[in-house]
Amino acid sequence: AQRVTQPEKLLSVFKGAPVELKCNYSYSGSPELFWYVQYSRQRLQLLLRHISRESIKGFTADLNKGETSFHLKKPFAQEEDSAMYYCALSGLGNYQLIWGAGTKLIIKP
Amino acid sequence: NAGVMQNPRHLVRRRGQEARLRCSPMKGHSHVYWYRQLPEEGLKFMVYLQKENIIDESGMPKERFSAEFPKEGPSILRIQQVVRGDSAAYFCASSPPRTGGTDTQYFGPGTRLTVL
Repeated sequence: AQRVTQPEKLLSVFKGAPVELKCNYSYSGSPELFWYVQYSRQRLQLLLRHISRESIKGFTADLNKGETSFHLKKPFAQEEDSAMYYCALSGLGNYQLIWGAGTKLIIKP
Repeated sequence: NAGVMQNPRHLVRRRGQEARLRCSPMKGHSHVYWYRQLPEEGLKFMVYLQKENIIDESGMPKERFSAEFPKEGPSILRIQQVVRGDSAAYFCASSPPRTGGTDTQYFGPGTRLTVL
């Protein structure tokens, strides 16, 4: 079955602390993995995708095929990182995105 | 570029009424996707359309739901005879003409449908 699991509904860390948002997936083919973010009162927007291998706003994510994970990390959290984060996958070249339930990240001052 | 537009942002309907949700894609985008998000859940794919064509409606409920993307005007997601279980946030996304790979989808702000 194709599935994306984000085990944490809520993650709360202090400003300056490291952040790791977990994402595990189940997919039979070659997946493409994404992280989307939704800041308060804003629309969903793409944060990063694994094929780009880039760092956006200090966030990185590495696809680990052995562990079927795509965890999102940032070494030093900032208050403006508070948002809902969604992990999603699609088959390579496919358009259907399969979504996790999301993790609400709260950065405490 | 104003981005993907959805209206209305909030829609309240009584059971049995019809709901019409509109989505205007970003300028230059010819692909539209509809997703539904139930409370506490992730988005679920409903339908993928190009102008005047439904490409994939595998995520659409078999009854009461329909979608279109006419040559002129916005894409419409139509729900007939709404029931309480249809209460959800409905998101539209658009992407440019496909160039291979998975195109980035740009999302609208969503329409929150409440069925009384």
